[in-house]
Amino acid sequence: GDSVTQMEGPVTLSEEAFLTINCTYTATGYPSLFWYVQYPGEGLQLLLKATKADDKGSNKGFEATYRKETTSFHLEKGSVQVSDSAVYFCALGGFKTIFGAGTRLFVKA
Amino acid sequence: DVKVTQSSRYLVKRTGEKVFLECVQDMDHENMFWYRQDPGLGLRLIYFSYDVKMKEKGDIPEGYSVSREKKERFSLILESASTNQTSMYLCASTTVGTGRDEQYFGPGTRLTVT
Repeated sequence: GDSVTQMEGPVTLSEEAFLTINCTYTATGYPSLFWYVQYPGEGLQLLLKATKADDKGSNKGFEATYRKETTSFHLEKGSVQVSDSAVYFCALGGFKTIFGAGTRLFVKA
Repeated sequence: DVKVTQSSRYLVKRTGEKVFLECVQDMDHENMFWYRQDPGLGLRLIYFSYDVKMKEKGDIPEGYSVSREKKERFSLILESASTNQTSMYLCASTTVGTGRDEQYFGPGTRLTVT
C-alpha cells in the first residue's frame, strides 16, 4: 500500500545552518505531496504542497520539489532560525492522507 | 480565518469513564478526521467521516466510536477509557476532492487516563 518514510529525528542545528529533512514515498498514481509543521502545543498546519511531478512548493523560506523519478519530496531551508524549532511531517494526499512519523527539529541560538 | 476547534486542550479521566471529545469546523468541509498522535508513531487515523451520519473506520478504531449529526461537528467517543488511550487527539477537516487539498487541524486534546 501507499506509504511515507521520513528521516528520524531529532535534528539539531545551529541558527543559520542549512536544513534538509528527507522524505520518500510509495504510491500508486500521482498523489499530491505535503509538508506540515507542528509547533509546540499546537495542531498541524500546512507548510507547503506540490500537486504534480517537478512542482516546487515553497513557503517561509522552506522548499520541496516533487521528484517522481526518485519518489522523494525532501524539505530544505537555506538558513534556519530558532523559531523554526518544531516537528515536521511529510504527507501523501488522497482520500485518506498518509503521514510520515514526523521529524523533530531543534535550532540553537 | 478558517478554524477547527476542539472542546478541550487538556483532559484527565479515570479508567472506565466514558469520554467525549468534540470537534467543530467552520469551513463547511465534508470530510472530518480523528487522529491520535503518539511519540515515534506519528499520526494514526482512528475514524473519518465524509458526510453527515456517515463514518468509516481508520487504522485503529478499536475502543473508539464517533458521531456526526451535523456537518460542522464530529465527536470522538471513548466508551470505556483505558490507560493505553492516553494520547494527543487531533481533529482535522478537508473539502471533498482529489486529495490535492490540505487538511486543517484543531489544536489537539491531550487526554490522560489514570
